[in-house]
Amino acid sequence: GENVEQHPSTLSVQEGDSAVIKCTYSDSASNYFPWYKQELGKGPQLIIDIRSNVGEKKDQRIAVTLNKTAKHFSLHITETQPEDSAVYFCAASSNTGNQFYFGTGTSLTVIP
Amino acid sequence: NAGVTQTPKFQVLKTGQSMTLQCAQDMNHEYMSWYRQDPGMGLRLIHYSVGAGITDQGEVPNGYNVSRSTTEDFPLRLLSAAPSQTSVYFCASRSGQVYGYTFGSGTRLTVV
Repeated sequence: GENVEQHPSTLSVQEGDSAVIKCTYSDSASNYFPWYKQELGKGPQLIIDIRSNVGEKKDQRIAVTLNKTAKHFSLHITETQPEDSAVYFCAASSNTGNQFYFGTGTSLTVIP
Repeated sequence: NAGVTQTPKFQVLKTGQSMTLQCAQDMNHEYMSWYRQDPGMGLRLIHYSVGAGITDQGEVPNGYNVSRSTTEDFPLRLLSAAPSQTSVYFCASRSGQVYGYTFGSGTRLTVV
């Protein structure tokens, strides 16, 4: 099956700086890559996603890039704010979208 | 619009007891899934359903049963609870056209 690795496991940045979280996947059949944000005591919330026919996608301060050849994708958060502090998960899914394989999460702390 | 509703939020079981975790969604989503979240391991798929009457196993199905008699409900049954099933359980749903899952707020289960 698919194996998704996520780095780093923890990340601290100063408010206003950028944060980058990286994930790699193993199954070349994976073609959908969502990112989820999980705040303490809550369920994961989809924040951005990308399909394998697109190299980059942006939504205001967040962006995701995908390198199919190298099988890795990254989440970029610019101008970080304290409310960005949370655990972020990447995931990969094949064409059916039935099974999602998640990374182990990155705990992001934005220091005011 | 309540989204995905999970009950109970917290539960303590004794080893060998059985229980059902409830999940209901009011978005008319065809796809529903159950995940467990353990520290350092991300989210792992237990069972999923692509529509009423259709279920399948995920990565870690042992010890769990599911059924999908209606579009709205997808209960998860623990037949004989074990300490290894201590975890946070999330139910999620999505439509057939949108791959991103909507997650519930979770059930924290402790088996003693």
